[in-house]
Amino acid sequence: KQEVTQIPAALSVPEGENLVLNCSFTDSAIYNLQWFRQDPGKGLTSLLLIQSSQREQTSGRLNASLDKSSGRSTLYIAASQPGDSATYLCAVSNDYKLSFGAGTTVTVRA
Amino acid sequence: DTAVSQTPKYLVTQMGNDKSIKCEQNLGHDTMYWYKQDSKKFLKIMFSYNNKELIINETVPNRFSPKSPDKAHLNLHINSLELGDSAVYFCASSLGGSNQPQHFGDGTRLSIL
Repeated sequence: KQEVTQIPAALSVPEGENLVLNCSFTDSAIYNLQWFRQDPGKGLTSLLLIQSSQREQTSGRLNASLDKSSGRSTLYIAASQPGDSATYLCAVSNDYKLSFGAGTTVTVRA
Repeated sequence: DTAVSQTPKYLVTQMGNDKSIKCEQNLGHDTMYWYKQDSKKFLKIMFSYNNKELIINETVPNRFSPKSPDKAHLNLHINSLELGDSAVYFCASSLGGSNQPQHFGDGTRLSIL
């Protein structure tokens, strides 16, 4: 059974600081890994998807890395802004389903 | 314009009632999912349908019955609602199987009184 862990559970930083969010998973036989953002009371917005054959993906200030053999992914957010405050979820894909971590709740202080 | 839409957004009802949540996607995807997010914000897969066929039923009680009339719709009917069913239910869709990104609806917040 796939288990996904996200560390830390919560993070508070001043505006402008870089963010580092960690995700680990127990079963390395994944198809891909997806990072999502969830705002309070809202749905999930897909940020980045890394296929199992890739090592990283970038979109604007966001960069996600994947080390499938060690079961780890890291999401970097450069030069954080108050608008980046949200919960970030990591999910890995096996067999027609996503297994989610519990999320990291980020607060960026102005 | 909404890619994956769920109705209703909020549902408040009494224990023991039967209710349905509807989901539609206009992305041309052939795989649809239902996830449950509990009070601790943990998201878990409930069902997965590919081309209207059930692929995954993740040990969900048989009070929950998904229905897929066509590839663009996956509705969730819940019988005899219990207090523990209170959660946010998310519908999602993807093109093909596990190597494609999933797109999520905004969720349906179900509260059982």
